[in-house]
Amino acid sequence: AQSVSQHNHHVILSEAASLELGCNYSYGGTVNLFWYVQYPGQHLQLLLKYFSGDPLVKGIKGFEAEFIKSKFSFNLRKPSVQWSDTAEYFCAVNAWDNDMRFGAGTRLTVKP
Amino acid sequence: GAVVSQHPSWVICKSGTSVKIECRSLDFQATTMFWYRQFPKQSLMLMATSNEGSKATYEQGVEKDKFLINHASLTLSTLTVTSAHPEDSSFYICSSSSAGDTEAFFGQGTRLTVV
Repeated sequence: AQSVSQHNHHVILSEAASLELGCNYSYGGTVNLFWYVQYPGQHLQLLLKYFSGDPLVKGIKGFEAEFIKSKFSFNLRKPSVQWSDTAEYFCAVNAWDNDMRFGAGTRLTVKP
Repeated sequence: GAVVSQHPSWVICKSGTSVKIECRSLDFQATTMFWYRQFPKQSLMLMATSNEGSKATYEQGVEKDKFLINHASLTLSTLTVTSAHPEDSSFYICSSSSAGDTEAFFGQGTRLTVV
């Protein structure tokens, strides 16, 4: 079945640690890829998106993601996390049917 | 894990009719529900936020009389698209969370086509 997989359910890091959240998808063909963040009690916010071009995408708040087509992956990275990055992160894929499909989410807890 | 059931998954309706989309939280109390809309090839757009028992808060540019949101219980929120027009054709998705919980859960989405 076509799906979006986020490998980690809950990640706990100390401040200044580096972050990488995995995302894999199983859709073939052209896809549009997104990472969203949801802070406690708030709605989704778009961190970054990939439609075409440079597979290394830079987003807001120091986040970046790399699209590796051969691996069907779109991992999210940040070199040095802050306590304020504590949130839930969702990978999403917009495939041929134009419908958005989400991963299950990864909860990030950053310890001060 | 917690589940949000959204239905219908797809619906085709005639212009001028109304369509109701339901989101049910199956095993938790959804104190807050977010409703999003996705335009083709774009990211999600937040339409409104609803808290159980109170009126929904709509984002700027979203017509509250056209997109009626009801969140009368902790397990059910509905979005009704009234007097639908072809430009309302879109993908609608709900997301809910419970009080004090950072996790959010998404419905499967509804593809609305107005003809």
